Amino acid sequence: AQTVTQSQPEMSVQEAETVTLSCTYDTSESNYYLFWYKQPPSRQMILVIRQEAYKQQNATENRFSVNFQKAAKSFSLKISDSQLGDTAMYFCAFIGRGGSEKLVFGKGTKLTVNP
Amino acid sequence: NAGVTQTPKFRVLKTGQSMTLLCAQDMNHEYMYWYRQDPGMGLRLIHYSVGEGTTAKGEVPDGYNVSRLKKQNFLLGLESAAPSQTSVYFCASSLLGTANTGELFFGEGSRLTVL
Repeated sequence: AQTVTQSQPEMSVQEAETVTLSCTYDTSESNYYLFWYKQPPSRQMILVIRQEAYKQQNATENRFSVNFQKAAKSFSLKISDSQLGDTAMYFCAFIGRGGSEKLVFGKGTKLTVNP
Repeated sequence: NAGVTQTPKFRVLKTGQSMTLLCAQDMNHEYMYWYRQDPGMGLRLIHYSVGEGTTAKGEVPDGYNVSRLKKQNFLLGLESAAPSQTSVYFCASSLLGTANTGELFFGEGSRLTVL
C-alpha cells in the first residue's frame, strides 16, 4: 500500500523568507501523481501544485515550487517570499495511475508565517 | 459562484442516531468524494462516485453509506452513529478524477460530534 509521510508536524517562517516542507512516499508504482494541498484556517482546501512522476522537470507555480526526487521518493515544497496568507496546513498527497481514485494524504504540516 | 457546498456545517448526534450529510456541486463534475479528517491525520477517503448512479468504497467505508442519484449531489449517510465517527467531513468534486490528475475542489467541511 502507498504511504505518504510528512515528518514536520509544525514549522514557522518569517515573512518574506523561504521555507521548505518535506514529504516522502512509498510506492511500487512507476507512474503516479503527487500533490500539495493547502488548508487555510477555517477555509477550504485548495490545490497548490501538482507533479507528474514521468516528468523530470520540477513543477512551479509562482512562489511555490517542488523538489521532486523520484529515486529517493521525496517531494518537498518550497515557498519563496513567504506571506502571511501562506499560514495554513499543507498536505502532501499521492495517487497511482492504476485507475483507482484513492488519493493518499500525509498527516500535514502546520505552517505559520510570522510578521 | 458556490462551487462545493456542504450541509449541515455542524451537527451533534447521540450514539445510535442517524443522519445524512449533503454535498452539492455546481461545476458539472463527474467525480465526487467524501473524506474524513481526524486530528493528527491526513484526509481519508470514505466513499466516492465516478458519475451519477455510481458509488465505490474508499479507504474507510465501514459505518457509512452514500448515494449519487443526481449528478450534482452526493449524500453521505450514517445509519447508527458511533463516537468513532466524530470527525470533520469534507466533500470534494473533480472534473477528470484524481487518477487523471484532476484537481479536487473541496467544500468547507462539516463538523460532526457523536456523544
